[in-house]
Amino acid sequence: DAEITQSPRHKITETGRQVTLACHQTWNHNNMFWYRQDLGHGLRLIHYSYGVHDTNKGEVSDGYSVSRSNTEDLPLTLESAASSQTSVYFCASRAGGPSSYNEQFFGPGTRLTVL
Amino acid sequence: KNQVEQSPQSLIILEGKNCTLQCNYTVSPFSNLRWYKQDTGRGPVSLTIMTFSENTKSNRRYTATLDADTKQSSLHITASQLSDSASYICVVSGLSGGSYIPTFGRGTSLIVHP
Repeated sequence: DAEITQSPRHKITETGRQVTLACHQTWNHNNMFWYRQDLGHGLRLIHYSYGVHDTNKGEVSDGYSVSRSNTEDLPLTLESAASSQTSVYFCASRAGGPSSYNEQFFGPGTRLTVL
Repeated sequence: KNQVEQSPQSLIILEGKNCTLQCNYTVSPFSNLRWYKQDTGRGPVSLTIMTFSENTKSNRRYTATLDADTKQSSLHITASQLSDSASYICVVSGLSGGSYIPTFGRGTSLIVHP
């Protein structure tokens, strides 16, 4: 069955280190998204992509970067991890074009702790 | 700034009872509204979607309503089950620059007791 996976599921790192979170989907969806979820906030959009080599900044993009070299993967990189980036990170994918409002399918999440 | 406000923040009910969750939004221009269910430790899963012209949508024991004039939505859960214990998130998408950008509410945490 098609699915969306994230790895690792849990990660502890130190301030200043570079961290990459992986997201892989097998639906062949054009659209992929990264969110963070914190207590007291709804999910907030970090970066998104509408296709290979396309990336866009979301609401809380500072300190994060993404690249899209194929349809299946959208890795999220924290260039220099900060304690404020301790959060649960969700990846999602969606079929259709940028103007589609098809359902987003979410991965299981990655819990990141920055010490 | 686009905003989605949900109430109550948390709710405890007994198994078999009904409940209603509220969502108010200020997203403009409005495109669609979704309700998601998020079980603890998992990603959200879509329950319903409504566009501007729809005012009610049902999915099994979940019924969502939308009043686009007052910018309010509700999610009614009928005959609650223990498995309904979860966070319910209202997501409103607005059209911006040719694409749909979602704004997420903080969610309502529902606990169903036996």
